[in-house]
Amino acid sequence: GQQVMQIPQYQHVQEGEDFTTYCNSSTTLSNIQWYKQRPGGHPVFLIQLVKSGEVKKQKRLTFQFGEAKKNSSLHITATQTTDVGTYFCALTTDSWGKLQFGAGTQVVVTP
Amino acid sequence: GAVVSQHPSWVICKSGTSVKIECRSLDFQATTMFWYRQFPKQSLMLMATSNEGSKATYEQGVEKDKFLINHASLTLSTLTVTSAHPEDSSFYICSASWLADTGELFFGEGSRLTVL
Repeated sequence: GQQVMQIPQYQHVQEGEDFTTYCNSSTTLSNIQWYKQRPGGHPVFLIQLVKSGEVKKQKRLTFQFGEAKKNSSLHITATQTTDVGTYFCALTTDSWGKLQFGAGTQVVVTP
Repeated sequence: GAVVSQHPSWVICKSGTSVKIECRSLDFQATTMFWYRQFPKQSLMLMATSNEGSKATYEQGVEKDKFLINHASLTLSTLTVTSAHPEDSSFYICSASWLADTGELFFGEGSRLTVL
């Protein structure tokens, strides 16, 4: 089945800096979702990307879906301590609601 | 927005006992719910799809006799970990399928199981 590689697995960021996490697939994806999980918490939906080349912004977060729909990225500018957590990309597999998650990028922010 | 609630949030049990975890959709009806498991520092892995009124569908490698799933109503799915062992200690999270315009899927708060 479809698999997605997510990198980096760990990101240590100074407060105020930018960082990016990437998800890559060897096959064309129908869509990709992004979730944030705070330490000890549950995944919280951030966004879904569907269209080739799509770019969506949520305040300091910018999400991109590649032209070939095989990769996606999440870019956070001016990182804040509230951005701490693990960011996952996820694919919808053979039926709605069934998600395959990437390995996640754990983000640690230093004040 | 839609809310999914899980209970209990955490549970400690002795090896060999069974533990039941509930997943409820609070303000919508969910014909399908999903159960995930997450080990420390790892990603979420889908365990099974819970279908209201019918048998659950298990992912490859998940023992259906060990992880019993019951979806008796449109708002409640339960996961029972039978004869629990320390290796079953994990974070169990459910999600409910509701076709929101945004594609959003809703997750419960998770249940942390520790088997002694």
